Amino acid sequence: GQSLEQPSEVTAVEGAIVQINCTYQTSGFYGLSWYQQHDGGAPTFLSYNALDGLEETGRFSSFLSRSDSYGYLLLQELQMKDSASYFCAVGLLGSARQLTFGSGTQLTVLP
Amino acid sequence: GAVVSQHPSRVICKSGTSVKIECRSLDFQATTMFWYRQFPKQSLMLMATSNEGSKATYEQGVEKDKFLINHASLTLSTLTVTSAHPEDSSFYICSAKRQGPYQETQYFGPGTRLLVL
Repeated sequence: GQSLEQPSEVTAVEGAIVQINCTYQTSGFYGLSWYQQHDGGAPTFLSYNALDGLEETGRFSSFLSRSDSYGYLLLQELQMKDSASYFCAVGLLGSARQLTFGSGTQLTVLP
Repeated sequence: GAVVSQHPSRVICKSGTSVKIECRSLDFQATTMFWYRQFPKQSLMLMATSNEGSKATYEQGVEKDKFLINHASLTLSTLTVTSAHPEDSSFYICSAKRQGPYQETQYFGPGTRLLVL
């Protein structure tokens, strides 16, 4: 089976930097994705890592270490609108490339 | 980014009735779509993988006779919750994967909130 672990809650202030970690145990790992979900909304894609290293997309960066089965999402220059749930998801080898989602991290950005 | 729509966005129904939810990829063809269910404050749980022109693949514990999935075209998948009960009340979200062997991005629809009375 697959399992992912990420912190349930993180709180930070506007302008700060926050890192959300994700560790996973899975067979047939293909890549690690990150999604953002605001209350009542659908998940939106943020970032994807298939290889080790850092991927940067504006204020958001994502890191992967396949040997450590570990990744993180880094959010810089936090804004109030970044308050949301953040999910890591592993993509699995196989014809359908299903995603298995972590339990989510609720980020609260304070003024 | 790619656009995926869902209809209806919310539905309230009586116990015992059936509800159909549509998922459409608006600007690309999707041979594979996924259906998820999400309870409040919880993660997305994959229910089934919908394959165009073939039977859906259901995750363990998901009743295929209760959650009927039809993927009749490359842009449309439907989920029918048959004989709905209050415990089926949830947020149902579909996603669509672009064609191609290495595309990892799933594009999610806006979700359908189902309330069964």
